[in-house]
Amino acid sequence: NFMLTQPHSVSESPGKTVIISCTRSSGSIASDNVQWYQQRPGSAPTNVIFEDFERPSGVPDRFSGSIDSSSNSASLSISGLRTEDEADYYCQSYDNNNPVFGGGTKLTV
Amino acid sequence: QVQLVQSGAEVKKPGASVKVSCQVSGYTLTELSMNWVRQAPGKGLEWMGGVDPEDGETFYAEKFQGRVTMIEDTSTDTAYMELSNLRSEDTAVYYCTTRGFYNCFDHWGQGTLVAVSS
Repeated sequence: NFMLTQPHSVSESPGKTVIISCTRSSGSIASDNVQWYQQRPGSAPTNVIFEDFERPSGVPDRFSGSIDSSSNSASLSISGLRTEDEADYYCQSYDNNNPVFGGGTKLTV
Repeated sequence: QVQLVQSGAEVKKPGASVKVSCQVSGYTLTELSMNWVRQAPGKGLEWMGGVDPEDGETFYAEKFQGRVTMIEDTSTDTAYMELSNLRSEDTAVYYCTTRGFYNCFDHWGQGTLVAVSS
């Protein structure tokens, strides 16, 4: 079993870029795809990145995903921050085909 | 487009059971891998389990084994999640969500609040 660790919160100004990390505790980050979800207050989560770096249709290209084997982590980058990006963000991967979520990161813009 | 509509909020006493429904439209239930995720107040997302549409086999997170049952009524395209022996720690919003072709949770219900209180 492994855990996905995210920073509890990040804060950045409108127009800037923020990067949210997701570190896998054991096993390779590259061995299972990583997804990212955005959850605005009072709403269900929505997928913003799948398969490490792919964007669902309708998600702006300000959102990008990557993985870094050297730090065994995945990252979600949001550029040109807008107030509407203020939300909780969750990474998710798989452990023997069972989904595992990170603890979530609260983004304040 | 897949739409998932869940049943309304529930208040239960400790030890009771709750059954949450998730009505599918836009697709048939047999075309979807339905999963359930919960979120306690102020906490993160927690996967509870899901159903393999190929054979209807259910997969439950170890934490919920023995207390959770996920069933599907294909005649009405409605999925159900039943959680038994409720305790206060089960107070949460319960979401149905579909695990899509790219192995991400691509559609979500609106959530159902289950409150457990004596």
